[in-house]
Amino acid sequence: GENVEQHPSTLSVQEGDSAVIKCTYSDSASNYFPWYKQELGKRPQLIIDIRSNVGEKKDQRIAVTLNKTAKHFSLHITETQPEDSAVYFCAENEGAQKLVFGQGTRLTINP
Amino acid sequence: SAVISQKPSRDICQRGTSLTIQCQVDSQVTMMFWYRQQPGQSLTLIATANQGSEATYESGFVIDKFPISRPNLTFSTLTVSNMSPEDSSIYLCSVEDINEQYFGPGTRLTVT
Repeated sequence: GENVEQHPSTLSVQEGDSAVIKCTYSDSASNYFPWYKQELGKRPQLIIDIRSNVGEKKDQRIAVTLNKTAKHFSLHITETQPEDSAVYFCAENEGAQKLVFGQGTRLTINP
Repeated sequence: SAVISQKPSRDICQRGTSLTIQCQVDSQVTMMFWYRQQPGQSLTLIATANQGSEATYESGFVIDKFPISRPNLTFSTLTVSNMSPEDSSIYLCSVEDINEQYFGPGTRLTVT
């Protein structure tokens, strides 16, 4: 089956610094790459997504970049705040709208 | 985005019994999915709930263990049958709305 590798599994940054999480995928036909944020005890929330016809997308402090040649995409969070602490999941569209998820990154923002 | 609710939010069940989880959406959606999230783990797709036809199961999941109903475009159920402690997990439904996928609040199941 399809596979998404996500790194790092844990990430700790100082408040105000940037955080970067990377994912690689294997299916060259994948064309949709969402990122979800999951706070403790809550549902995963879609925070940003990118489709294969663009290389970068930005929404305030969050940005996602996509390199289709290398089959990897990354989440960038700038000016991190304590409320950014959560588990982040990348995913890719395997076709028929099915999502395959990465293993998750636990992000901790230290005040 | 669509508003999704699930019932129950949590339950504690004895092994060998079955639990049916309901997922309700406030608007008609074509695609509904059921995921499992084991403690501290990522999300794994169980099946796609197809309206008016049998669900499409992913590798490792079978209809006898996880029967699914999808009677209309706003509602689906997932049953976890003949439960064992290994079925303790969070079960989430999701829907596709305007080409994006959103999750319900989840059902936390503990099997003793």
